[in-house]
Amino acid sequence: RKEVEQDPGPFNVPEGATVAFNCTYSNSASQSFFWYRQDCRKEPKLLMSVYSSGNEDGRFTAQLNRASQYISLLIRDSKLSDSATYLCVVNLPGSQGNLIFGKGTKLSVKP
Amino acid sequence: EAGVTQFPSHSVIEKGQTVTLRCDPISGHDNLYWYRRVMGKEIKFLLHFVKESKQDESGMPNNRFLAERTGGTYSTLKVQPAELEDSGVYFCASSQDFGAGGADTQYFGPGTRLTVL
Repeated sequence: RKEVEQDPGPFNVPEGATVAFNCTYSNSASQSFFWYRQDCRKEPKLLMSVYSSGNEDGRFTAQLNRASQYISLLIRDSKLSDSATYLCVVNLPGSQGNLIFGKGTKLSVKP
Repeated sequence: EAGVTQFPSHSVIEKGQTVTLRCDPISGHDNLYWYRRVMGKEIKFLLHFVKESKQDESGMPNNRFLAERTGGTYSTLKVQPAELEDSGVYFCASSQDFGAGGADTQYFGPGTRLTVL
């Protein structure tokens, strides 16, 4: 079983739509959780950290369910510029920052 | 402030040759990481430096890979001799420090795309 699993997509949505991505992780000891965004042939960039209480940053909302080992990302009012691959990333305690990546979910927002 | 830079952006070499990748972290960042993405797979951790010391090299695939960070500034990753399966994108990342909450934000460089023929 992969350490971090994501639906690869692609998710093709119209502008203005709401889209949700899910991710599961296998190690219950995982300590920190993130969503990264990666544009085609570019480097990953941190979109947001994910906290147990859930957190929101503008049109983006992240949720963490530790009992189910499940992380989600909700994007409201999708923009063309949201088109990218979204990477679910976890970090284990004591790993000193060694990030564990999912393969990513590709989002394409169409006019 | 300059971000993480990597050189070269692309490298095409033949099997058996040697290649050296370079990473310049953000100034003042003690933590430097190397990651690799092989085609069709997820990004995977290779190793982590704190200043000039190797903190964790558990992700290094084999002894054909050698990473250094002399002086605790830039880092090099040498592959010798290169094999076909080494092809992929090699990312470097840096972070400032670890807070009480754990890992600090890692900033990634643009990557080096390595093709071994």
